[in-house]
Amino acid sequence: GAGVSQSPSNKVTEKGKDVELRCDPISGHTALYWYRQSLGQGLEFLIYFQGNSAPDKSGLPSDRFSAERTGGSVSTLTIQRTQQEDSAVYLCASSLVGPSYNEQFFGPGTRLTVL
Amino acid sequence: KNEVEQSPQNLTAQEGEFITINCSYSVGISALHWLQQHPGGGIVSLFMLSSGKKKHGRLIATINIQEKHSSLHITASHPRDSAVYICAVRSSADKLIFGTGTRLQVFP
Repeated sequence: GAGVSQSPSNKVTEKGKDVELRCDPISGHTALYWYRQSLGQGLEFLIYFQGNSAPDKSGLPSDRFSAERTGGSVSTLTIQRTQQEDSAVYLCASSLVGPSYNEQFFGPGTRLTVL
Repeated sequence: KNEVEQSPQNLTAQEGEFITINCSYSVGISALHWLQQHPGGGIVSLFMLSSGKKKHGRLIATINIQEKHSSLHITASHPRDSAVYICAVRSSADKLIFGTGTRLQVFP
């Protein structure tokens, strides 16, 4: 069966531009998570969706970051006015229900480079 | 001090060796995950546990809730086990907190 997919796999953008990253979770998974991994750093939690609502947005680093999820499926992470420190791999994961009760399945990530 | 500490940070082994990676945490948790990140960046969830021990193939994960400690063991290690192994805990506030990972290299 299909796993979690993310697009694009790589994105290079200029400082100040907006970017949208997409995540398609595993079909039927109600919980969806966004993380990022900066170069040489560990994973950092960004936001968690249960269905279409986001009970926990505490990890979003600034108000330039936003995310939405529609139809309980696809999610987009939007970064406005990108900065060089936004360069990282952005990972999406989904789980059957969440967050405490099930394993998370990770997508391949989107590598974002802000020049 | 990080809430999740892993040791060692780097580990080199010869094929066939028994490997142990340790994870200690300082917060109350509802579950602990062991993840494997391949050199290409993909992440695979190995285990999720809240007590006791789990085994999958050559991998064994244990957790001691009282001591706030977990170990990941790899028996009969193989070069394809080379990866970064990440410990992550789900805190009582339902946040996932990650360790910085252990980079394992297994040589033939």
